[in-house]
Amino acid sequence: EPEVTQTPSHQVTQMGQEVILRCVPISNHLYFYWYRQILGQKVEFLVSFYNNEISEKSEIFDDQFSVERPDGSNFTLKIRSTKLEDSAMYFCASTPGVSGANVLTFGAGSRLTVL
Amino acid sequence: GQNIDQPTEMTATEGAIVQINCTYQTSGFNGLFWYQQHAGEAPTFLSYNVLDGLEEKGRFSSFLSRSKGYSYLLLKELQMKDSASYLCAVRDEGGSYIPTFGRGTSLIVHP
Repeated sequence: EPEVTQTPSHQVTQMGQEVILRCVPISNHLYFYWYRQILGQKVEFLVSFYNNEISEKSEIFDDQFSVERPDGSNFTLKIRSTKLEDSAMYFCASTPGVSGANVLTFGAGSRLTVL
Repeated sequence: GQNIDQPTEMTATEGAIVQINCTYQTSGFNGLFWYQQHAGEAPTFLSYNVLDGLEEKGRFSSFLSRSKGYSYLLLKELQMKDSASYLCAVRDEGGSYIPTFGRGTSLIVHP
């Protein structure tokens, strides 16, 4: 079964450092997403991406965050200067479309720990 | 905005039936999803409702009442592996197609 893959599975970084989280969405999917989940809290939407541009973003996705599709397969989330409160599990997801029963398929997540 | 409410935690016995409720208030409605999330893992899709009524899929069923802003997930013949968080997610109508997740219900199945 096709899957979304994410790397790294766990990253530990110092506050103020830049972090890049990588994702390979399902190959025939057109819409890509980043969500995050702080430990013990709900899954929160960050950003969606379609046709090489951001289609929607939440209030969480401020200037410290950026996304990119550098090639035909990877989809990355960059945090420019990490803060303690960025510590969370970051999930990448993809869908073939957006209407109806288009279901988010999530990757296994990248756990970010900011010290 | 959206407000999605689920019980925080439920416990049940192996072999039993459990119903997990979700209520929501949205400015519009364009579908409700249930996901299962085991600790430390990604959410995985369970069911989708957009019309009123019951959707059955093996041991799991999901019900929707749009007029009441209410859904439930019914799990039958509970197994220990069903211990997980169950996330209700609602998609608004209008410009945004992004589902908003509730806090999830942690289900503990004991022998």
